[in-house]
Parts: sequence; structure tokens; C-alpha cells
Amino acid sequence: QKEVEQDPGPLSVPEGAIVSLNCTYSNSAFQYFMWYRQYSRKGPELLMYTYSSGNKEDGRFTAQVDKSSKYISLFIRDSQPSDSATYLCAMSASPTSYDKVIFGPGTSLSVIP
Amino acid sequence: SQTIHQWPATLVQPVGSPLSLECTVEGTSNPNLYWYRQAAGRGLQLLFYSIGIGQISSEVPQNLSASRPQDRQFILSSKKLLLSDSGFYLCAWSGNINYGYTFGSGTRLTVV
Repeated sequence: QKEVEQDPGPLSVPEGAIVSLNCTYSNSAFQYFMWYRQYSRKGPELLMYTYSSGNKEDGRFTAQVDKSSKYISLFIRDSQPSDSATYLCAMSASPTSYDKVIFGPGTSLSVIP
Repeated sequence: SQTIHQWPATLVQPVGSPLSLECTVEGTSNPNLYWYRQAAGRGLQLLFYSIGIGQISSEVPQNLSASRPQDRQFILSSKKLLLSDSGFYLCAWSGNINYGYTFGSGTRLTVV
């Protein structure tokens, strides 16, 4: 079993839809969770950073962590064509840089005008 | 503000040729630096990371090497490229407390 799994998609939604992106993981030591957005031919950029379980909201984006189920989600409300990108989840056991950050393979999202 | 520069953006190299990719960070001191490779449809694979000048940790044994000659400079090298070295190479940095990585814009390497 891979440490972090993510449906690669592609996921195609109409503009204005609510998008749900998900990751599952196997290592119960993970406590720090991140979502990155990567446009084509660009490096990933950090969208959300959360610690432990719960929700975090930033504008149209909501990150949700359920440690009991080892499941994290990113919700995008009122999706826009500019949200079309690959979304990578990432996680680590501690915030210090000496611990590895494990990335999911990414989900490709297309928002159709 | 902190910025990270990575070049070149695109590179086509023949098998057996050498490689040198450079990454520099501005606006911070003593960053932790990382080289990742991203293959098509796959996740990010950590190749090397460095917590200081001359301190390199290798995650994957292969024909690539990394060096950190200056605090904010990280170089990825190879003496002889293989076809399997093709991919998208990303440099990243973080502080000692990792609130996520900041990535460079990447280098698309094609070995022919």
C-alpha cells in the first residue's frame, strides 16, 4: 500500500461547481497536511497548511482532515476556470524540515466555462 | 520577500552527456533545500535535501548528485545522463520549521 493515495482523475466540472479532492494515507504518524496547486509546466504552490484534525477555510478553499479515517479533503466552492490545475496533497509527521514530506501523485482538475 | 530561481526551464540532452541544474534562493538565510523529480502521472520523488553548506542527504541511489557550494545555492548534477533521467526537476526550500515548501518553476529535462 502506498503511503499516500490520490485519485489521479482527470476530474472535469462546470464553472461554479463545488469540487471535492481527496487523499488517503496509511501512516498514522502524519499530523501536518498540505495542499498544493500545480499549473501545467510550473512548480507546485502551497494552497493550504493544516495541523491535525479539523477544518480550515481560506476564501473559496476548505481543507478538512479526518485523522481517525486517515482521510483528507480539499473543497473548492464556486470553482473557476482558473482553478484548472493539478492538486497535490502532502503530509508529514512533524513540522521540522528533517522529517520527510510525502506527496500524493496529484488529481488533475478541469473547470469548464 | 523570499524568491527561488531555477534554470534552465527546458533542457534536451543526449544520453551520456553531463548535467548541471542550478537553484538559488533570495531573501532568506540558511534555508533547507530540496531537489525533487516529478515523472508524468506520478508524485514528487525526493532526490536530495540539504540543511546547510556541504551537507547533502541522498534519498534515491542513482547517477545524480547534488552540491551546495553556498548557503543559498543548490546544484543538481550528473556525469552521464540516462534515458530514465528524463523528467521534471523541481528545486524547493523551507525554513527550519516547515510550513510547506516553496518550489521553483522547474526544469523539464528530456534525455534523447
